[in-house]
Amino acid sequence: SQQGEEDPQALSIQEGENATMNCSYKTSINNLQWYRQNSGRGLVHLILIRSNEREKHSGRLRVTLDTSKKSSSLLITASRAADTASYFCATFYSSASKIIFGSGTRLSIRP
Amino acid sequence: EPEVTQTPSHQVTQMGQEVILRCVPISNHLYFYWYRQILGQKVEFLVSFYNNEISEKSEIFDDQFSVERPDGSNFTLKIRSTKLEDSAMYFCASSQTSGGLGEQFFGPGTRLTVL
Repeated sequence: SQQGEEDPQALSIQEGENATMNCSYKTSINNLQWYRQNSGRGLVHLILIRSNEREKHSGRLRVTLDTSKKSSSLLITASRAADTASYFCATFYSSASKIIFGSGTRLSIRP
Repeated sequence: EPEVTQTPSHQVTQMGQEVILRCVPISNHLYFYWYRQILGQKVEFLVSFYNNEISEKSEIFDDQFSVERPDGSNFTLKIRSTKLEDSAMYFCASSQTSGGLGEQFFGPGTRLTVL
């Protein structure tokens, strides 16, 4: 399978703490993207990191990519209740014109 | 800010009926996609569309499915004879550049319930 797989499957943390989610994939990619999905809603694009990049920041988000380990991590700093959602990594392979989503991490922020 | 829109937000149909899900991609985008998400499962790619033809489709996208861009703005997904297992959220997406080279913008989804 070429799918990205996230871990953990579920994560519950206290508001204000940092949340780290990981994604692993199996074959070479062109880029990796992270999306957020609130329950029953659409997908919101968070950040895209290209295969030649190692780290990217956007506000409270920090994404790293290690192509040698075929893994990525998403760090959300100073978490807020509004960050409660499912987070998916999605990988794009040059041999295809589609992105492949992982199973997601369900993040819950406790007040 | 431009966004992808989808109608209807919820569609209920009887098994065996045809349904058409509609999407209006972002106006200057050239690449269009349909994905689906069965409740509690991951988002699955169905089909990509560019220059009025299918670029790629998954094994899910069988002969019961078709896509069309009937005019300059709409992008539709038709399911000819719905089955119970077609019940899912269907997401449309569009992008300015090919595949995953750039951000894909997703619509809010259509929840399809097949009874």
